[in-house]
Amino acid sequence: GIQVEQSPPDLILQEGANSTLRCNFSDSVNNLQWFHQNPWGQLINLFYIPSGTKQNGRLSATTVATERYSLLYISSSQTTDSGVYFCAVGGVSNDYKLSFGAGTTVTVRA
Amino acid sequence: EAGVAQSPRYKIIEKRQSVAFWCNPISGHATLYWYQQILGQGPKLLIQFQNNGVVDDSQLPKDRFSAERLKGVDSTLKIQPAKLEDSAVYLCASSTNSRETQYFGPGTRLLVL
Repeated sequence: GIQVEQSPPDLILQEGANSTLRCNFSDSVNNLQWFHQNPWGQLINLFYIPSGTKQNGRLSATTVATERYSLLYISSSQTTDSGVYFCAVGGVSNDYKLSFGAGTTVTVRA
Repeated sequence: EAGVAQSPRYKIIEKRQSVAFWCNPISGHATLYWYQQILGQGPKLLIQFQNNGVVDDSQLPKDRFSAERLKGVDSTLKIQPAKLEDSAVYLCASSTNSRETQYFGPGTRLLVL
């Protein structure tokens, strides 16, 4: 199956700071999604982005499929951005099922 | 539009007991997924349905876990008998098809004592 590595594992930010989260994957994919799991456990889909760049408010994501990585940018972070960010990928080698990374835990301090 | 609904939200049982979880996906979503999330890890797919048929159950421990999606809408996941290592959050998700955005329910937190 596809291996998914996320970095860094933990990130502590001061409110207002910018950050970049990285997702590396081991094989070609045609499905890549970023999720935010809030402190109450709810998983929220942020982006469906198998390639290219998308932006949604203070969040943006870029996937370079040919180089097998994706980046999630958080700008002007707020305390509500705290939680765990997961990258999940799917491709031919795992029958298009989503394989999740271990996540990046983000803590934003006021 | 209503999101994915799950119940119960919490369940505590003793090992060797049985338990069932219910999921109602977003209306019109043909694909339904059950994931298991152990503390500190990402979700792991247990089973995927397309309408009322099973697409993938390769990671479902079939000796104790079962799932069904009658009429292609609601789904139930059952564990019988439960083991200590089944303590986890069970997440249900749905999507219009298998390569589109997945939407997750709030999950059921299971503790097996």
